[in-house]
Amino acid sequence: NAGVTQTPKFQVLKTGQSMTLQCAQDMNHNSMYWYRQDPGMGLRLIYYSASEGTTDKGEVPNGYNVSRLNKREFSLRLESAAPSQTSVYFCASSGTSGRDVDEQFFGPGTRLTVL
Amino acid sequence: DQQVKQNSPSLSVQEGRISILNCDYTNSMFDYFLWYKKYPAEGPTFLISISSIKDKNEDGRFTVFLNKSAKHLSLHIVPSQPGDSAVYFCAASAGWIKAAGNKLTFGGGTRVLVKP
Repeated sequence: NAGVTQTPKFQVLKTGQSMTLQCAQDMNHNSMYWYRQDPGMGLRLIYYSASEGTTDKGEVPNGYNVSRLNKREFSLRLESAAPSQTSVYFCASSGTSGRDVDEQFFGPGTRLTVL
Repeated sequence: DQQVKQNSPSLSVQEGRISILNCDYTNSMFDYFLWYKKYPAEGPTFLISISSIKDKNEDGRFTVFLNKSAKHLSLHIVPSQPGDSAVYFCAASAGWIKAAGNKLTFGGGTRVLVKP
């Protein structure tokens, strides 16, 4: 099992350009998430999808859109990139572990720089 | 306003000694807490968790303590090993409903360096 995969690993954009970050999981998880990590800020939730066909805003959704394409795939789109969106982006998924709260499994991240 | 805070950005400890990482939270609705470990250029990996109905959870060298009245939790690593050098994130979950997925709120992280 590959777990959670993300493409691309690195990307440089100019202000105003658009791009889509791809994420896929092979663990048959229902829930998927997009986070951004900035120095000293930890991980902040951008959007999440509790199950196929649903998406909801997280803590910092402005400037982003998402698509839950199917159970496996959850993409994040930047329509008009801004320097403030320079960050490392992580996708995660969670299933039903039997615990009270399911731990999330993270992908390796996409390092995005907006010039 | 950060609801989960890790006030120590870094920690240096000698191999074999104890590492103690601290985390404070402000939201009384948080009822489940997790610790994640992150190496450079990798995604975070789950380490250990604790429910608010407990005050301690242990898994091998890792123990998490929860003090609900103080809204404080800590992670103890005993003994510390060079491979434990990483960034550790505290995370909390509130109002959890299985059908809605479990949203996590993360602290800013503590960088741990274990010296041989």
